[in-house]
Amino acid sequence: EDQVTQSPEALRLQEGESSSLNCSYTVSGLRGLFWYRQDPGKGPEFLFTLYSAGEEKEKERLKATLTKKESFLHITAPKPEDSATYLCAVQPTTSGTYKYIFGTGTRLKVLA
Amino acid sequence: SQTIHQWPATLVQPVGSPLSLECTVEGTSNPNLYWYRQAAGRGLQLLFYSVGIGQISSEVPQNLSASRPQDRQFILSSKKLLLSDSGFYLCAWSVRAGGVYEQYFGPGTRLTVT
Repeated sequence: EDQVTQSPEALRLQEGESSSLNCSYTVSGLRGLFWYRQDPGKGPEFLFTLYSAGEEKEKERLKATLTKKESFLHITAPKPEDSATYLCAVQPTTSGTYKYIFGTGTRLKVLA
Repeated sequence: SQTIHQWPATLVQPVGSPLSLECTVEGTSNPNLYWYRQAAGRGLQLLFYSVGIGQISSEVPQNLSASRPQDRQFILSSKKLLLSDSGFYLCAWSVRAGGVYEQYFGPGTRLTVT
């Protein structure tokens, strides 16, 4: 069964304390992996698409990487405004191009 | 640029009442459209998706239905709400980017059934 697991469920960091969020996936074939940021009471905001193992994408303090089994979202020198829930999703090759499997997210809190 | 709107932003409805949530997309034509429900501590659950006017696919049998009367309009409905219908409802559209369809979400509607 296709599955996405995110860890940790929650993470508290001091401002400037770098860390990584994990997204492990089990699919028979990967069409793409997506990262989103979601603020409380709002819709997810698209961050990155990763297509193949070894690929990396960066945006400000965020860097996403992809292997054949997992993806990491690295947060370098985070600021309080980076506090949010980060969601990971995959689109398997075995499903139509309209299906996505989402993880339950990592709630990140950055303390000033 | 593309924009997606949802309304209302919040809604409190009694059990047994009808529901209508609306989603519209601007700045694109013939988008794939989606309705998701997000429950606390759970991943996004795909409810319906549509690839064109009048074309609706249901992912989860339930108390809800969807319609797409216009190219960029997607409506989520119910004839009689249940307590279990409470949640955060998200509309999304997708665009082809390379070999995948990237999804973009609206601001969401918080539904509380009392």
